[in-house]
Amino acid sequence: GENVEQHPSTLSVQEGDSAVIKCTYSDSASNYFPWYKQELGKGPQLIIDIRSNVGEKKDQRIAVTLNKTAKHFSLHITETQPEDSAVYFCAAPPGGGSYIPTFGRGTSLIVHP
Amino acid sequence: ETGVTQTPRHLVMGMTNKKSLKCEQHLGHNAMYWYKQSAKKPLELMFVYNFKEQTENNSVPSRFSPECPNSSHLFLHLHTLQPEDSALYLCASSQEINKWQGHTEAFFGQGTRLTVV
Repeated sequence: GENVEQHPSTLSVQEGDSAVIKCTYSDSASNYFPWYKQELGKGPQLIIDIRSNVGEKKDQRIAVTLNKTAKHFSLHITETQPEDSAVYFCAAPPGGGSYIPTFGRGTSLIVHP
Repeated sequence: ETGVTQTPRHLVMGMTNKKSLKCEQHLGHNAMYWYKQSAKKPLELMFVYNFKEQTENNSVPSRFSPECPNSSHLFLHLHTLQPEDSALYLCASSQEINKWQGHTEAFFGQGTRLTVV
């Protein structure tokens, strides 16, 4: 199976609603969990990250929560806006001694005005 | 603008051609990466360089040949590609990779959209 599983693959919400994207990982030694946003025609860009010594981190309308016991972390976007429409990727180290994050398959978020 | 510049932005090449993709960063980073992004597939790590030394080659076919002459520049040399190699090729950089710090934020370029005909 994949080292990083991301769900859902697509998410459609109305402007102002909240959106939640979840990722699970396999390596219990993982300690760094970033989320990237990729807009059309651009490369992915980091929007928020969390390290294993905290359970939650917020930055305005964006938050990431981490559950190390269950080995999953989630991206929360509140008060969504049309400009939040993009593909979002989570990443986590695959384990086996590698520190290079493996990316999830991505979630296409569509925010309808 | 992320500070990572890729050229060209678009490239169409025949299967017998030889071409090179270029990536440049002046962020003072010491780790650079090549990723392949195909439709409906996760971002695939191809190569990693840390302090100019190749540290990972993710079972990439030899028709892809990376080169890292210094910490600021990364190339991907292409020859005798196949149509299934058509994809978006992304370059990224980060401060460095080490055992204690693990991975840090990666900055991506805008990618080169490659079409093999």
